[in-house]
Amino acid sequence: DGGITQSPKYLFRKEGQNVTLSCEQNLNHDAMYWYRQDPGQGLRLIYYSQIVNDFQKGDIAEGYSVSREKKESFPLTVTSAQKNPTAFYLCATGGAVGGNTQYFGPGTRLTVL
Amino acid sequence: AQSVTQPDIHITVSEGASLELRCNYSYGATPYLFWYVQSPGQGLQLLLKYFSGDTLVQGIKGFEAEFKRSQSSFNLRKPSVHWSDAAEYFCAVAGGSYIPTFGRGTSLIVHP
Repeated sequence: DGGITQSPKYLFRKEGQNVTLSCEQNLNHDAMYWYRQDPGQGLRLIYYSQIVNDFQKGDIAEGYSVSREKKESFPLTVTSAQKNPTAFYLCATGGAVGGNTQYFGPGTRLTVL
Repeated sequence: AQSVTQPDIHITVSEGASLELRCNYSYGATPYLFWYVQSPGQGLQLLLKYFSGDTLVQGIKGFEAEFKRSQSSFNLRKPSVHWSDAAEYFCAVAGGSYIPTFGRGTSLIVHP
């Protein structure tokens, strides 16, 4: 929140379609993260990036892809290979990975019909 | 490895009553500890964090938390709860170069 923009707020897609979620930041943070949130599951890490043109898989990367072409942007693509994509997706930013505080965007709720 | 447990899925309190949300962590050394709050359909907001030093940490909105190494705990407290405090609360732990691991959250319900 505050300097982190996620769009759209709500997204509806048909099963089998790829969809890209946007995350933009103006906090000049090096690290960016994508989390998935399901009821009662807490936050699960999908991908993270510490610098431009580099990113690493998190705990649940299967069926997702990312890019980091600019420091300010870290889009997440939910592919048709993701078996259960309906969820709330949160983008976060922070200083270099290593215990630094994370700052969260407002989230995107994806519903696959 | 690091892990965090929030034993209570739901907590119900009356407005004006005191509050304590429990958080237990597992990590071999002194970790970084965080508490976040999330209103429905929103992102997470940082309430407070512990990195080192004084084990009693003050945060925003009147919240505080105490790091107890002997109990591997970082419980969140507030002396008097307001109806606007109703939300989901997440504890997180990060050790060394690790990305924070989040607990499953505690849902706070406030009765008038």
